[in-house]
Amino acid sequence: EADIYQTPRYLVIGTGKKITLECSQTMGHDKMYWYQQDPGMELHLIHYSYGVNSTEKGDLSSESTVSRIRTEHFPLTLESARPSHTSQYLCASSEGGLQQAFFGQGTRLTVV
Amino acid sequence: AQRVTQPEKLLSVFKGAPVELKCNYSYSGSPELFWYVQYSRQRLQLLLRHISRESIKGFTADLNKGETSFHLKKPFAQEEDSAMYYCALSMNSGYSTLTFGKGTMLLVSP
Repeated sequence: EADIYQTPRYLVIGTGKKITLECSQTMGHDKMYWYQQDPGMELHLIHYSYGVNSTEKGDLSSESTVSRIRTEHFPLTLESARPSHTSQYLCASSEGGLQQAFFGQGTRLTVV
Repeated sequence: AQRVTQPEKLLSVFKGAPVELKCNYSYSGSPELFWYVQYSRQRLQLLLRHISRESIKGFTADLNKGETSFHLKKPFAQEEDSAMYYCALSMNSGYSTLTFGKGTMLLVSP
């Protein structure tokens, strides 16, 4: 079934650790996004990609990095996690010419 | 740069009452507007988009370019409508991204 998957759903990790949040979609979409969302707050775009080997920074400054080596995969990496990175991270995808975005379930990250 | 404003953080109504969730935007071009909804413990999902001019779950939204608004309305609220609602804007271009408002929590009491 076509969907967008995020793993892990929940992650508690110590300060200074390197982490990678996984996002995969089986919808064949060109565009993928990472949003950061604090509880009950707006979504902030932190990274996006128009296709393979394309990555752009979003509106919100982030210390994370992303890669897009395959169409279906768009992982987000934090080289050194800090408590300020504690948040929910949402991955989304959309077709090239359409703006409707499909979201994953999210990864709730806690850095202690 | 485009911006989306949702002035109400929380809207609490009784079942059967009319609902209007406000959304205003600022963008000089021709935008594409959306409403997304997030029910408890579920993922964010599209509710409706202005170009479709459709009614989903009894909700409608009309784009008013003069007032730069895209308010979401429902004549009779149901308890299952309780959720977080986000208004979003995209430039009418294949290379644009979605800009979200801060969201409005709708609580419908019995």
